[in-house]
Formats: sequence, C-alpha cells, structure tokens
Amino acid sequence: GQNIDQPTEMTATEGAIVQINCTYQTSGFNGLFWYQQHAGEAPTFLSYNVLDGLEEKGRFSSFLSRSKGYSYLLLKELQMKDSASYLCALHSGGYNKLIFGAGTRLAVHP
Amino acid sequence: EAQVTQNPRYLITVTGKKLTVTCSQNMNHEYMSWYRQDPGLGLRQIYYSMNVEVTDKGDVPEGYKVSRKEKRNFPLILESPSPNQTSLYFCASSLLASNQPQHFGDGTRLSIL
Repeated sequence: GQNIDQPTEMTATEGAIVQINCTYQTSGFNGLFWYQQHAGEAPTFLSYNVLDGLEEKGRFSSFLSRSKGYSYLLLKELQMKDSASYLCALHSGGYNKLIFGAGTRLAVHP
Repeated sequence: EAQVTQNPRYLITVTGKKLTVTCSQNMNHEYMSWYRQDPGLGLRQIYYSMNVEVTDKGDVPEGYKVSRKEKRNFPLILESPSPNQTSLYFCASSLLASNQPQHFGDGTRLSIL
C-alpha cells in the first residue's frame, strides 16, 4: 500500500522562507505532485517531480529523493496570500491515480 | 477558458433523497475523477474514468455511482444519501499521461441531514 505523511500545521513570517516536508512509502512510484489549496477552494497545481533533485518555479521549489521517500516544497519570500494548505500527492500505479496526504496548513503572519 | 465545472456548489438535503452532482470539463481530457475531502483525511478518490464508458472504483466507492456517456461529463450519483456522505466533493480531470496534473472543479459542499 501507500502512506504519505506531512505536518498538519506550520506558521511562518511574511518575507521568510518555509520548507514543507512530505515523506512517503509506496510499492511503485511514478511521480510526486504538490498542490496549493486555499480554504474552501479547489486545489491548484504547483509542481511535479519524477526525478531526484530540485525543480524551481519562481518563489516555489520542490525537491525529491526517491531513495529516501522524501520530498519538500520550499516557499521563498512568503506573502500573506501564501496562507493555504499544501497537499503532497503520490502518483503510484498504472493510471492517473493520485494518493493525497492530509495536507499542511500554512499560516503566514505579518 | 479551460475549466472543470461542478454543480451545485452547495446542497443541503435529507437522508434517502437521490441526488446528482454534475461535472463537466472543456479540455478534452480522457481522465476524470471524483474525490471527497474530509478534515484530517485529505482527498480520497471515489470513482475514476479513463475514457467514455470506462469507469472504476477508487478507494471509497460505497454509496456512490458514476457514469461516463460523453467525454466531457462525469456525474456523481448518490442513490440513497446518508449523513456519513456529508463532505466536500471535488471533480478533477487530466490528460492520461502520468506527468499531467489534475485540474479540479470548485467543489460541491453536500450536507445530508
């Protein structure tokens, strides 16, 4: 089976950097997604990793280590609008099935 | 505008009264899926479809039905809703390739009394 762990809540200060970790166990690995979800809204795609290493997209970067079953999402120059839940999702299996972690709720304070 | 549209956005109903939540996408995606989201549990897949007339169970299919008669539409049917189906529901779609992100609708908040 699959299992995904993320911290439940994190807080950070506007302008700072925050790292949200995701660890997983799976019998098959096809990729890992990060989504952002503001309260009461739809999840929106942030990043995708399938190979080890860092993928950078503006203020957001995502890192993957397949051997360690570990990923993180790095948010730089935090803004108040970054207050949201961040969902780690594992793509495992022969079709587009995603297994989602419970999400990390990030609160950014002035 | 590329989007996934769900209706209704909010619904309060009573136990046993059949209801349908519609989902439509305009991106010509093959893959469509329904999720429910409950506090502390994350998104859990109910049913998915890889193409027209091809549907299969996800992780929590009990009490739900789906159909895929057209590529763009993937309705979720609750034949006899019960209070434990009170939840926030999301429809999503994507291309079939594994690196393609899923696009989510705005969600439907169902309350079953």
